[in-house]
Amino acid sequence: SYEVTQPPSVSVSPGQTASITCSGDKLGDKYASWYQQKPGQSPVLVIYQDTKRPSGIPERFSGSNSGNTATLTISGTQAMDEADYYCQAWDSSTTYVFGTGTKVTVL
Amino acid sequence: QVQLQESGPGLVKPSETLSLTCTVSGGSITTYFWSYIRQPPGKGLEWIGHVSHTGSTNYNPSLKSRVTISLDTSKTQFSLKVNSVTAADTAVYYCAGEVRGRNYVWGSYRYYYYLDVWGKGTTVTVSS
Repeated sequence: SYEVTQPPSVSVSPGQTASITCSGDKLGDKYASWYQQKPGQSPVLVIYQDTKRPSGIPERFSGSNSGNTATLTISGTQAMDEADYYCQAWDSSTTYVFGTGTKVTVL
Repeated sequence: QVQLQESGPGLVKPSETLSLTCTVSGGSITTYFWSYIRQPPGKGLEWIGHVSHTGSTNYNPSLKSRVTISLDTSKTQFSLKVNSVTAADTAVYYCAGEVRGRNYVWGSYRYYYYLDVWGKGTTVTVSS
C-alpha cells in the first residue's frame, strides 16, 4: 500500500519561513494537498493540486511537489499558523492517503 | 457555501454497528463525491470511504469488509455504517465533500482528489 511520511514537528520563529515536507515513492507523479488542523477543530484545506490556494487562504501558504517530496511553505509565519498539518495524496490501490501529520510550533 | 453536519450516537457498544449521518446544506448534493474520515484520539487522519452522487462507492481496503456508505438525495444526506465495532473504532468522525478531476499534463492525464469542505466532526466512543 502507498504511504507518505512527514516529520513529527517543525519549530519556527514568528516572521520566519516554515517548511513541511511530505515524502513518498514518486509522489511528484501524483497531486498533493495540504490540510491545517487546529486543536478541537476540523481540518481546513490550504493547498490543492500541489500549488493552488483555496479562496480565503493567505498568500503566505505555498506548495511544491517534485520527485519524491511535496513541500508546504509558510512564509512570514504568524502565531495563528500554529497547528497540525497533513499532506494527502491519492493512490489507485489505497485511494486517499494522509501523511502522519506535522505539528508546527511558533516559538 | 456548502455546509456539512454530522449526527449520530456518541456511544456505541462493542460488536454493535456504528451509524452516522451527514446532512448537506447550502449546495447541491450532486456537486461532490462525499467522504467519511476519522481521527482516533491523538492520532492522524484516516479516510474511510466515499459515495458519488450516483450512489457508487469506494472504501479504504483496511475497512472495506465492515463499512457501508450510502446516499439519500431526497434528504440531501449521506450515511456511514461500521459493523462489529471495537475500541479501535473510537474516534472523531468527519464527513467531507470531495473534489476530483484530471489535467492533461505532458502528454498524459494526471488525476486530482482533495477534500474541499469538512463538517465539524462528531466523537464516537466504543465502550460497554
